[in-house]
Amino acid sequence: NAGVTQTPKFRILKIGQSMTLQCTQDMNHNYMYWYRQDPGMGLKLIYYSVGAGITDKGEVPNGYNVSRSTTEDFPLRLELAAPSQTSVYFCASSTTQLRAGIQYFGAGTRLSVL
Amino acid sequence: GENVEQHPSTLSVQEGDSAVIKCTYSDSASNYFPWYKQELGKRPQLIIDIRSNVGEKKDQRIAVTLNKTAKHFSLHITETQPEDSAVYFCAASTGGFKTIFGAGTRLFVKA
Repeated sequence: NAGVTQTPKFRILKIGQSMTLQCTQDMNHNYMYWYRQDPGMGLKLIYYSVGAGITDKGEVPNGYNVSRSTTEDFPLRLELAAPSQTSVYFCASSTTQLRAGIQYFGAGTRLSVL
Repeated sequence: GENVEQHPSTLSVQEGDSAVIKCTYSDSASNYFPWYKQELGKRPQLIIDIRSNVGEKKDQRIAVTLNKTAKHFSLHITETQPEDSAVYFCAASTGGFKTIFGAGTRLFVKA
């Protein structure tokens, strides 16, 4: 049971490049989330999903897109990278079952846009 | 919109002293209050949680209290140790997908 797995761990992008941050979970959780965490700051919700085929915007969605074709996977797409997107990105998941509300986080992707 | 306020933003204590972090939430429908610890360069991890039908919960050196009437909840760490140094996040949830995080408290425990 690996939990929430994110790839890559680190990435450097040039301004204007695109990339996809991968997130997969093996806990059969319905809910999945993407957060960004700027240095010394808290967690800001980018997008979330309550199940396959259903996604919605969080607090800071501009510049990002997501999809949820399966329960396990929730990739985050950056289309035209900007320096303001330099951050650590965390994917998380939670269940609707007994321990509803607890979020399980991936190890994070550290992204630098130069 | 709904929010969670967390205080203080930074807390420095001497090893062995107690540390208290306080949070206030606005959504009266919140019924689940987790606390996460994030060590430097690591992911946030759940350390303790409390549900709205309980006023206090303790797990070894950490405890959480909840006052639903005042919409306050607090984290208490006793006999602090250097390894308690981290950022702590409180959160309020309605039990489903909607979880609001506080801005975090950076705790320094001086040896």
